[in-house]
Order: sequence, then C-alpha cells, then structure tokens
Amino acid sequence: SQQGEEDPQALSIQEGENATMNCSYKTSINNLQWYRQNSGRGLVHLILIRSNEREKHSGRLRVTLDTSKKSSSLLITASRAADTASYFCATDSAGGGNKLTFGTGTQLKVEL
Amino acid sequence: SAVISQKPSRDICQRGTSLTIQCQVDSQVTMMFWYRQQPGQSLTLIATANQGSEATYESGFVIDKFPISRPNLTFSTLTVSNMSPEDSSIYLCSVRGGQSYGYTFGSGTRLTVV
Repeated sequence: SQQGEEDPQALSIQEGENATMNCSYKTSINNLQWYRQNSGRGLVHLILIRSNEREKHSGRLRVTLDTSKKSSSLLITASRAADTASYFCATDSAGGGNKLTFGTGTQLKVEL
Repeated sequence: SAVISQKPSRDICQRGTSLTIQCQVDSQVTMMFWYRQQPGQSLTLIATANQGSEATYESGFVIDKFPISRPNLTFSTLTVSNMSPEDSSIYLCSVRGGQSYGYTFGSGTRLTVV
C-alpha cells in the first residue's frame, strides 16, 4: 500500500511563482526523497533529507521535514515552464529493507 | 551515480503473450528494484532482485506472472507473462545510489496490451 499521501494532487501556477507540495507518511523513516517525473518517463532524484535533518536546499529547491508530524514539503522557487512534471515523495523506512515507498504524487503545471 | 539502460522504451503487445524488459547498469550493484506505475498512478514495488538468489516479491505480485532474472551484478530482466490489458503500465527498474544520493531509475518501459 502507498505510505505517502501528497497534496495537492494537481497544482497550476504562473512562471516565476513558487510551488509548494506536501507529503505525509505513516512510519518511522531513515530518509525522505523527492523525485520528478516528466511525461511518464523515468524518475529523476531531486533531493534527499535524512530523518535527523529539518531543512535542505538544492538550487531552487527547498525541502523541510517534520518527523513529529510525519510530513515533508517541497518548495520550488521562481518556477519555470520546464518545471512542469509530476513530483513524488518517497520514504526509505527504518527496517524497510532498502525499499522505497512512494507517495501519490503532485502534478505541477507551470504556465508561461 | 549509476546509469541504467532500460529496454524496450515502449511496446504494444497482444493479450496472452509475454514481454521481457531488460535493465543494464554501468556499475555493480547488489540489489535492483522493479516497479510498476499504472496509468495516472504512483509507483508500486513489484520485487527486489538480488544476484545469486531468487527475487523477493511484494504482496500482490507473484513469480509466475512476473519472473525476474539476475544473472550478474549489472543486469536484470523482468518478464510480464500472459499479459492482459490490466498489465498496461510503465515498468521501471531502479538501483540505490548510495546513502546520500537517492535511487537511480531506468527510463521506463511503457507497455500497452491490446
């Protein structure tokens, strides 16, 4: 079963605006990861945040993790049309045998 | 991080037939993972393939339907057997990229069963 729930399911914004996606999960984790998928193709790893970290940055991406609430958020600043894609969170659970469990995903559309 | 070559990228198959998907990794890896992504859905893990042992299947997936081979540390195949239209999905292989690097995915195989 899917562990992560993401919201919103779909998000449409204008280029230059910020996009925020949220992810909730159910069990203890080693880390949480965010991936991007363009048009049903392979997934691209964006960023990994460990369970003992609260915030991480990579370029225009900012990820937060709140283990007490079992939630994470991905912020994309100054969005571009090329950011249009589906975004998935995935958890590497403690005792999970190196398996990733994916969230339901957020479809982001950035319009010119 | 590892680079994965996945083939075929897409196929249209008749029901009742089988399709074998290949993944080649440019480095040796202990575990390879196979996922299914049904239309408009998220990824679901099918099985974990270890070299030298039988694959470990997740609940709802069985070896007769999704046989997996792992002949060496750089290669794996997933076969989708006796296909029906419900098997129409994207199938992806993946390897772990290390503690801080997340996972690397193949480009996916888009399967349509008619």
